[in-house]
Amino acid sequence: GQQVMQIPQYQHVQEGEDFTTYCNSSTTLSNIQWYKQRPGGHPVFLIQLVKSGEVKKQKRLTFQFGEAKKNSSLHITATQTTDVGTYFCAGKGGNTPLVFGKGTRLSVIA
Amino acid sequence: AAGVIQSPRHLIKEKRETATLKCYPIPRHDTVYWYQQGPGQDPQFLISFYEKMQSDKGSIPDRFSAQQFSDYHSELNMSSLELGDSALYFCASSLEGNSRSPEAFFGQGTRLTVV
Repeated sequence: GQQVMQIPQYQHVQEGEDFTTYCNSSTTLSNIQWYKQRPGGHPVFLIQLVKSGEVKKQKRLTFQFGEAKKNSSLHITATQTTDVGTYFCAGKGGNTPLVFGKGTRLSVIA
Repeated sequence: AAGVIQSPRHLIKEKRETATLKCYPIPRHDTVYWYQQGPGQDPQFLISFYEKMQSDKGSIPDRFSAQQFSDYHSELNMSSLELGDSALYFCASSLEGNSRSPEAFFGQGTRLTVV
């Protein structure tokens, strides 16, 4: 079945440093979604990418969808302590359900 | 705006007991997902329903069953509970019929502890 791999598993950064998490799917995706989960909270939708090569920005967050629609990345510029949490990518292929990557847990040291 | 409602928020059960988790999706959403998230783990897909019919099945044990009712709320029934079933159970809903924005909206989750 469809698998979604995400790296790194953990990332510790100093406040102000950049952060990137990468996501790879075993199959071509119809879309990829990104979620953020704060400790003790539930996953919250951030964005969806649909088009091959798509790039979307939300303030300091930049999301990319690969040309082959099998990989994606989330880049945070100049991290802040409010960015702390686990970032999940979730891929959807055709009629398959949303499959989550294992997430990248981001710690930001002030 | 209305969100996905899950009940109960916390549940403590003993081994071999039965538990029922409830989910009320966002009004007019046509798809419900159930996920299980162990401590420090990613959400694992269990089962989904589209328009009250089971649409997909993931890593759901045979001891678990789920259904979606005519009012679109869904219930996850868990029998012969084991210690390893202790986890956070999320329900999510989406509007799959609108392919432009099928993002999943998650409920707050039910934390199940089996002792």
